[in-house]
Amino acid sequence: ETGVTQSPTHLIKTRGQQVTLRCSSQSGHNTVSWYQQALGQGPQFIFQYYREEENGRGNFPPRFSGLQFPNYSSELNVNALELDDSALYLCASTGTGGFYGYTFGSGTRLTVV
Amino acid sequence: DQQVKQNSPSLSVQEGRISILNCDYTNSMFDYFLWYKKYPAEGPTFLISISSIKDKNEDGRFTVFLNKSAKHLSLHIVPSQPGDSAVYFCAASLQYNFNKFYFGSGTKLNVKP
Repeated sequence: ETGVTQSPTHLIKTRGQQVTLRCSSQSGHNTVSWYQQALGQGPQFIFQYYREEENGRGNFPPRFSGLQFPNYSSELNVNALELDDSALYLCASTGTGGFYGYTFGSGTRLTVV
Repeated sequence: DQQVKQNSPSLSVQEGRISILNCDYTNSMFDYFLWYKKYPAEGPTFLISISSIKDKNEDGRFTVFLNKSAKHLSLHIVPSQPGDSAVYFCAASLQYNFNKFYFGSGTKLNVKP
């Protein structure tokens, strides 16, 4: 069991730029979800991937997109960054055969200036 | 639209006493509830869960109570320890979308020695 790792831990981008955040899920976990946590708020669901297909989406615009790869890694891409995109981005994975709660990574702190 | 609310942003408790963290929700279709604990610079860690068919679930020092008629759940920690100091999030999911969670904004618990 390797846990969930995210990279980078911190990132500063300029408004209008594009960013890719990466996540390596726990071994055997074929479902990955991404959450955005703004300062002082709880995590908000962005989308979920199951077996490399998007399997549910929250209230986020299309400039938020994702990919999941066969090796349990995934990416969150955000285009045309806005100042309000500044937040902690959390990746969480879970496996099949019952629900035991997500395993979260430590997150990527994105600052848009 | 905040469907899960934690109205107390912070709580301070003496070591050895009971900590009670509260959470309210608005959607009566929520079917599953979880509590997560988050330390600074770490991802949320799953603590305890409860299905809507139960009104209580216990795990060691942690007990979650669910009052469906009041749309309210609470987490009791007895006895509280300094290591319990963290931010606690409650989360809820709908039966047909088991892996999408709605989080509250969190309560920061401080257990004083």
